[in-house]
Amino acid sequence: GAVVSQHPSWVICKSGTSVKIECRSLDFQATTMFWYRQFPKQSLMLMATSNEGSKATYEQGVEKDKFLINHASLTLSTLTVTSAHPEDSSFYICSVRRGLADNNEQFFGPGTRLTVL
Amino acid sequence: GQNIDQPTEMTATEGAIVQINCTYQTSGFNGLFWYQQHAGEAPTFLSYNVLDGLEEKGRFSSFLSRSKGYSYLLLKELQMKDSASYLCAVLDSNYQLIWGAGTKLIIKP
Repeated sequence: GAVVSQHPSWVICKSGTSVKIECRSLDFQATTMFWYRQFPKQSLMLMATSNEGSKATYEQGVEKDKFLINHASLTLSTLTVTSAHPEDSSFYICSVRRGLADNNEQFFGPGTRLTVL
Repeated sequence: GQNIDQPTEMTATEGAIVQINCTYQTSGFNGLFWYQQHAGEAPTFLSYNVLDGLEEKGRFSSFLSRSKGYSYLLLKELQMKDSASYLCAVLDSNYQLIWGAGTKLIIKP
């Protein structure tokens, strides 16, 4: 069964609005979750690492004030795209990673396709 | 810098065998992953290699040579549903996952 869920699976919004994407770890508690973005025909790009109970760590070039991450519990992380613009249209995927004892296997959510008009 | 190279696209015939290569240069190494990604979907885990050698799992096998910074994914008895992108990723010394751009595999009847 699914290890990671995401909601919504797709969303269409107007330019200037904010969109919240939820990521839930269903199978185990995750102190760390990862948020990726993928543009068509391109590889995954890590946006930020979400840490439970503390601030997220953002990759270079990713605006932390635009992409707000909240990891309030061991099973839930949210990504809010604030004041979305058409260039933010992308496939957003979250993932959680098991520990060394489980071969560091990384599980991905089903992704959220965001279209900003 | 850190770098992972894999072919952009490969074509193979249904029922045949295909090998997708991946070479890497990273700061440290804590394992190499192969993921399969169908268009419009999230990646799904295929294999994890941390020691040299071949890991076989059904029709799929993955090989690793740490001294050469090289891995390959071998797919046997190809089926049309194997048409997808195959992503190679390396876990570096900071446990950051470094991704290749992916290899689009096209299966022809």
